[in-house]
Amino acid sequence: DADVTQTPRNRITKTGKRIMLECSQTKGHDRMYWYRQDPGLGLRLIYYSFDVKDINKGEISDGYSVSRQAQAKFSLSLESAIPNQTALYFCATSGGLAEQFFGPGTRLTVL
Amino acid sequence: KNEVEQSPQNLTAQEGEFITINCSYSVGISALHWLQQHPGGGIVSLFMLSSGKKKHGRLIATINIQEKHSSLHITASHPRDSAVYICAVSLPRFGNEKLTFGTGTRLTIIP
Repeated sequence: DADVTQTPRNRITKTGKRIMLECSQTKGHDRMYWYRQDPGLGLRLIYYSFDVKDINKGEISDGYSVSRQAQAKFSLSLESAIPNQTALYFCATSGGLAEQFFGPGTRLTVL
Repeated sequence: KNEVEQSPQNLTAQEGEFITINCSYSVGISALHWLQQHPGGGIVSLFMLSSGKKKHGRLIATINIQEKHSSLHITASHPRDSAVYICAVSLPRFGNEKLTFGTGTRLTIIP
């Protein structure tokens, strides 16, 4: 079984809809991250969390919110989706000063 | 100017060729990461290094801290090496936890 899972894997939604992307991990890591990837751009950090009570904005947090429900779960919400939020979204985990482990990605299309 | 620059952006080579992908960065770093993104989208961490050289199978990563430069080499390249290779750095000002990514090098190995 995958250590980092994301649901859904693909989602098509309409402008103005609320949508939640979910991430779960079985690695026991404290640190979790949400990134988005756009063609021609590097991965960009949306939000990150170092533990359940510690949530921080990344470089592109506007239009997004997150919830760390438990050590193993970190959800990303788009309160009112817009077309320029169409992207590939990745969740990642880390045990500290070490490599990050990525989920399989969620391809989101906002029409 | 991006803090992390990769070259080339695209690389096509024949099976068996020796491959070099370069990464330059403009600031002091805690560590440098090489990641592989498969055609299906999944991202896997290949190396994390802060000095010297690391080897895993046919892959070799080197870093020169003074020159702020890293290279990823692939020996005896194979079509299954076709992927996007991403360089990322950990920056001390973000507590060594957050990564800043390059835009990736798309490698295609022709049989």
